[in-house]
Amino acid sequence: GAGVSQTPSNKVTEKGKYVELRCDPISGHTALYWYRQSLGQGPEFLIYFQGTGAADDSGLPNDRFFAVRPEGSVSTLKIQRTERGDSAVYLCASSPTRSETQYFGPGTRLLVL
Amino acid sequence: GESVGLHLPTLSVQEGDNSIINCAYSNSASDYFIWYKQESGKGPQFIIDIRSNMDKRQGQRVTVLLNKTVKHLSLQIAATQPGDSAVYFCAERPPHQKVTFGTGTKLQVIP
Repeated sequence: GAGVSQTPSNKVTEKGKYVELRCDPISGHTALYWYRQSLGQGPEFLIYFQGTGAADDSGLPNDRFFAVRPEGSVSTLKIQRTERGDSAVYLCASSPTRSETQYFGPGTRLLVL
Repeated sequence: GESVGLHLPTLSVQEGDNSIINCAYSNSASDYFIWYKQESGKGPQFIIDIRSNMDKRQGQRVTVLLNKTVKHLSLQIAATQPGDSAVYFCAERPPHQKVTFGTGTKLQVIP
């Protein structure tokens, strides 16, 4: 079956701009996660959705970062007033429930100039 | 494409040999552990997992060993192949909490 998909695969933006990153989870997976990965590092947790609600947003670095999942399927990660330090790979993962294995998408490579 | 392997510990093995990748985890409350493989430019790919009520689990060509006493996890890959070249991450999860990833080990398979 189809895996987790993320769009765009690459995004280049200028400092101060707003960006949206999209994640399409595996069909039927109720749990969805966003992670950020810097070069040479493991993925760092940002936010977890159970259905439509953000059950844990403790990993969001500041209030410029926000994520939604309005219908319990597709999720969008939104970054306002981007900074050069936001440059990273943003990974999305989904799982049938929180206690089960997470499956990752290919990531969106964000570069803030 | 970009490399996720910069500044990571590197393990070089000859094709056909067995590989052992080690990981020290940090939270003694963690009860679920996962190994992921990440190739350059791709997302992490699930390999194998183990729960804390087990100390060994085997998959196809891979074995995970868990030593809770010293908080150590290892991934053994039998008959390593060039396609196994990647960065390998261990991850841990305490009950009802988020998954935390380790720093990763780069595996280089020498043909």
